[in-house]
Amino acid sequence: TQLLEQSPQFLSIQEGENLTVYCNSSSVFSSLQWYRQEPGEGPVLLVTVVTGGEVKKLKRLTFQFGDARKDSSLHITAAQPGDTGLYLCAGEETSGSRLTFGEGTQLTVNP
Amino acid sequence: KAGVTQTPRYLIKTRGQQVTLSCSPISGHRSVSWYQQTPGQGLQFLFEYFSETQRNKGNFPGRFSGRQFSNSRSEMNVSTLELGDSALYLCASSLARNTGELFFGEGSRLTVL
Repeated sequence: TQLLEQSPQFLSIQEGENLTVYCNSSSVFSSLQWYRQEPGEGPVLLVTVVTGGEVKKLKRLTFQFGDARKDSSLHITAAQPGDTGLYLCAGEETSGSRLTFGEGTQLTVNP
Repeated sequence: KAGVTQTPRYLIKTRGQQVTLSCSPISGHRSVSWYQQTPGQGLQFLFEYFSETQRNKGNFPGRFSGRQFSNSRSEMNVSTLELGDSALYLCASSLARNTGELFFGEGSRLTVL
């Protein structure tokens, strides 16, 4: 099983600040997904990146897939309290057999 | 369309008991995957079912089992419960195999006393 490490595990910031969450592996993934999970809910897909070097933007969120398809980052600009949640990255193994999830980054944005 | 439905949402069991959790996927979705979520371990893959067949299995003991019915609904069973089985059990459905976008249910929160 290919492993994904996320950092930081916990992040507490003030409204308006910028932040970056990292998702790293020593293995190559076919694609990488980012999910957000709010308390009492299941994870919800934010984006899927497929091509090495790909950058996708979703309003204030920017997602990047590393050139070698081993890592990814999520950057949030001008964070808002509504961005609070657990952010999970998930990589599709090259065998195509399963999604492997990172442990998540718990983000708290204080008003 | 209706999302993924998991029942029960919350349950409390004691050590040694067994539990069955149910998952109804989104209509038309044939793949159902189960994950265990705990604070220290994140989401751990349990197994995936597609067309009533288990296609993939994670590294969990044989006490964890599952099945899928012809209508794509799935159940998972944990026998001889241990304290460490306390977790949020998440079911996810997808159109195809365990890749692509996963649609998660709200989970079943199991507490083992």
